[in-house]
Amino acid sequence: DTGVSQNPRHKITKRGQNVTFRCDPISEHNRLYWYRQTLGQGPEFLTYFQNEAQLEKSRLLSDRFSAERPKGSFSTLEIQRTEQGDSAMYLCASSLGGQGHQPQHFGDGTRLSIL
Amino acid sequence: AQSVTQLGSHVSVSEGALVLLRCNYSSSVPPYLFWYVQYPNQGLQLLLKYTSAATLVKGINGFEAEFKKSETSFHLTKPSAHMSDAAEYFCAVSASGGSYIPTFGRGTSLIVHP
Repeated sequence: DTGVSQNPRHKITKRGQNVTFRCDPISEHNRLYWYRQTLGQGPEFLTYFQNEAQLEKSRLLSDRFSAERPKGSFSTLEIQRTEQGDSAMYLCASSLGGQGHQPQHFGDGTRLSIL
Repeated sequence: AQSVTQLGSHVSVSEGALVLLRCNYSSSVPPYLFWYVQYPNQGLQLLLKYTSAATLVKGINGFEAEFKKSETSFHLTKPSAHMSDAAEYFCAVSASGGSYIPTFGRGTSLIVHP
């Protein structure tokens, strides 16, 4: 179990640029989640995959945001035309599927700063 | 719909003192409840979870929480605080059935004084 890996750890970019983050889940986990966390807040759900299928998206996920999980392994989260309000920590988590609630394992996040 | 309220954005205790972090939940169906800990610049780590078995749940690092349906509470306790417990703590709720996506509280920062 090598844990959930997120890259890059930090990203600084100018407003209006596109950014892409990557998440590598724990290998046997078929569920993958993206969250956004701002200072002083808990994680807010963005989207969720089971294998390669994106099953749920939050209203927070505007049309500038897109997430993929090709082949049901790693996932990418892209933000187009970044805005100041996108500055946040973006967290990825993975879990086993099946019945019941399996605990989520979180990566250390990607901190995005928009200049 | 589900929600979580964590009372107190900051809790300060002395080393060796009792730790009590409060969490109240709202859920229209029987809930799953969780406590996570987050250290600076890291992701969240699961401390413990309640999934309708025993109402007193023991977790890692000496923490435990008690599910009280009548009070819709799931408070986190530890008998004796250590300096290493200083971190942000998040309570979360998810509904049994459905996608199991948790809703997190705003967090409580635990400060431990020597």
